[in-house]
Amino acid sequence: EVELLESGGGLVQPGGSLRLSCVGSGFTFSNFAMSWVRQAPGKGLEWVSSLNGNGDSTHYADSVKGRFTISRDNSQNTLYLRMNSLTAEDTAIYYCVKGWDGYCSTTSCSWLDQWGQGTLVTVSS
Amino acid sequence: DIQMTQSPSSVSASVGDRVTITCRASQSITSWLAWYQQKPGKAPKLLIYAASTLQTGVPSRFTGSGSRTDFTLTIKGLQPEDSATYFCHQANRFPYTFGQGTKVEI
Repeated sequence: EVELLESGGGLVQPGGSLRLSCVGSGFTFSNFAMSWVRQAPGKGLEWVSSLNGNGDSTHYADSVKGRFTISRDNSQNTLYLRMNSLTAEDTAIYYCVKGWDGYCSTTSCSWLDQWGQGTLVTVSS
Repeated sequence: DIQMTQSPSSVSASVGDRVTITCRASQSITSWLAWYQQKPGKAPKLLIYAASTLQTGVPSRFTGSGSRTDFTLTIKGLQPEDSATYFCHQANRFPYTFGQGTKVEI
């Protein structure tokens, strides 16, 4: 059974930094693209970032480009999201999402398949 | 960016009813359209991908249709456990975008 366990969320001050982690199990982690999708409290879904199975193809939403960095350690079955220069607009539940396969083209990493339970990031003074 | 417009924003229906949710893309996404179900406090769950392919384990009362810019999710024979918010999502090109959601109340 696929499991995705996020951690690293919490309360951070505006301008601060945070690193989220997501450990995957129940599948061959390196064979799948991974993504982060966020959801502000009571709001809809917003795609944040994706990367391919090798980790050498990354994609970002304009709202986080230059501030967030997605990465993975396939030896540890772990996906990361480094978040810098956080603002109140970054307050959300951050979901780790397993992709359909390991490939990303320049335009897409295919479907967002299975989702973790999320970790809450609150940016507030 | 590709805008995804969902309607209605909410619908109230009875057990056994048929419910239809529509999603319109601001440009052609061919069949790169997925539907998700999200229950309160839970993560979204993939129901349908490629516009009309049912994900494994999803009840057959859920059907998807459409292509290019206009898509539909239909629930035939609404069940109490179908109470949730449903989102459409385009995976045609970055940035991925989602519809604003349709809340289905029983």
